[in-house]
Formats: sequence, structure tokens, C-alpha cells
Amino acid sequence: DSGVTQTPKHLITATGQRVTLRCSPRSGDLSVYWYQQSLDQGLQFLIQYYNGEERAKGNILERFSAQQFPDLHSELNLSSLELGDSALYFCASSVGVGGSSYEQYFGPGTRLTVT
Amino acid sequence: GQQLNQSPQSMFIQEGEDVSMNCTSSSIFNTWLWYKQEPGEGPVLLIALYKAGELTSNGRLTAQFGITRKDSFLNISASIPSDVGIYFCAGPPDDVHRQYGNKLVFGAGTILRVKS
Repeated sequence: DSGVTQTPKHLITATGQRVTLRCSPRSGDLSVYWYQQSLDQGLQFLIQYYNGEERAKGNILERFSAQQFPDLHSELNLSSLELGDSALYFCASSVGVGGSSYEQYFGPGTRLTVT
Repeated sequence: GQQLNQSPQSMFIQEGEDVSMNCTSSSIFNTWLWYKQEPGEGPVLLIALYKAGELTSNGRLTAQFGITRKDSFLNISASIPSDVGIYFCAGPPDDVHRQYGNKLVFGAGTILRVKS
């Protein structure tokens, strides 16, 4: 158990809909990351938040947005869903933004299926 | 962008055998990480490497940071059935302009299967 929690575990929704994925980082970690894992693209970095502020953006679509709240939990919002958005979405956390923050601890993931 | 190439893509080995896999890049990496992912789970951090030439162990696992900084190796000794999973290498891309935060790029993974 990494200490990172994600809800829900599974999500099935229709094209065009909007969903929210939730993540609580390990106790004491200030950075939260979102990654997408699909069969054709592998594990891809989406976005990082550090202590409530956006720190870095990766291949995140404009239809997707995220935020980190004062209690440090994070939400990833996916809107106008398309079939191609079906994937595993992982949250990870690390202590901060220094060198050791490359040691990221992953949650169990949310499997999103868009039908 | 910077890509990590893992080989082999998959391995099917006998229980008790030693395993070797590697990860290469055309660009220099200053940190290498190895993760293991089991079905239905998130990746689990196994080993982190920070210095060229560094050799680090975690139980039966040993990883090395290549001296060229363009590769890393993971060895598993005396494999057991619970070693089954996908092993990923990962590292932070070159971030001269400090735009990537603590982003990691991942290799495509090596699938390990163990015959008991």
C-alpha cells in the first residue's frame, strides 16, 4: 500500500459526459501528479501540482483540468469524453519539488471506460 | 522528446533463474527509477538511482546507473512466482528551462512471466 488513495476504482460513462477523479496523496507529500496509462501510449505524464499550485504540464488535453485543494487532495476533471479517453488514470505523490521528488508513489488508479 | 527504450519486451523464465533487463536512451538522464506494476495495481517504486555508476540493491533486486548516463540495468536474482509483472524504467527529461517540474517519462516496460 503506497498510502496514495484514488476514487473511484472503476468508472463507466458515455461519450460527451464529464467525470471527476479524486486523489489523496501520502501523508506529508506536497506534490501530486496525474498520469494516464493506455495500451498504445504507455504511461504519460499529465500534470503536477505542488502545494496547491500548478507546477508542470504534460500532454494534457484542453478538455481535461485538475486542481489541488488546501488539504492537498487533488481532482482531475475530464469533460466532453471521447472513446479514446478510456484508460487507466493514476495519481502519484512525492514529498515536494526537490531531487528526491522524482521518487513518486502511485495510487491504485481509476479505470475509465467511455462507451 | 526524450524516450526510454526497454528490452527485452517480455521474458518467460523458470523459477530460480536470474533476470536481466535494461533501459536505454539517446539522451542523458540524471536520475533513473525502476517500477514494477502488477495487474490491476499502480506502479510500485523499486529502486532510485542518482549517480552515474551507482549500484543499488533492494532485496533480490539490483539496479545500476550506466556510466554513460544513457542507460540503466535491473537484475533480479533467483526469481520467484511473485516477481511476475511489468517492470518500467523512468526518469526525468532534461529540464534546462525548468518547465517540466518533476515529470517522469516511462519506458514501455518489460513483461516478466515466471514458470514455477
